[in-house]
Amino acid sequence: SAVISQKPSRDICQRGTSLTIQCQVDSQVTMMFWYRQQPGQSLTLIATANQGSEATYESGFVIDKFPISRPNLTFSTLTVSNMSPEDSSIYLCSVVRQGTVDEQYFGPGTRLTVT
Amino acid sequence: GDSVTQMEGPVTLSEEAFLTINCTYTATGYPSLFWYVQYPGEGLQLLLKATKADDKGSNKGFEATYRKETTSFHLEKGSVQVSDSAVYFCALSDRDNYGQNFVFGPGTRLSVLP
Repeated sequence: SAVISQKPSRDICQRGTSLTIQCQVDSQVTMMFWYRQQPGQSLTLIATANQGSEATYESGFVIDKFPISRPNLTFSTLTVSNMSPEDSSIYLCSVVRQGTVDEQYFGPGTRLTVT
Repeated sequence: GDSVTQMEGPVTLSEEAFLTINCTYTATGYPSLFWYVQYPGEGLQLLLKATKADDKGSNKGFEATYRKETTSFHLEKGSVQVSDSAVYFCALSDRDNYGQNFVFGPGTRLSVLP
């Protein structure tokens, strides 16, 4: 498996501000994803983080609201911009390791509360 | 498109009871199937997987068999423990024209009482 860390683990933010979440993996991976998990709900894919190019966003998510960077094979950031209480959620980073095509490994998540 | 359906929770069992969580899927291709577990306050952990028909995935006493004829991947455990209390997600991975596609079910919350 891959060891994945996320920072911060949790935060409470005021509406209108932005928060950047970091995801660091201990080994090179082929794919990195960002998910949102609202309380008591399943996972919703926000985007695929592509190394050295723009992320691929799912329907309903846009780059202006959720800018993503992936400067190398082991690191990515997700920014939640101009936050509102509706953005309160858990944000999860996941990866697919090199040598596998379909096993995802997840970070511990970042619990965001917007007041 | 691909989809995953799970039995609705919450499921409440006594310790040492038998567990079944039903999962069915629809897919255009030939997917790999997974069960993930999420303990309180944590991310998802891969519990087990199966990649082809009649394969049985197993881990930590949990089992699931890939049934292509019924498009199902039901999770079972013979004797649950309090420490198994968590949310369980059934998922599939498939390849389409755009690359690798991952789909998660809605999750089933399991509570095991001592």
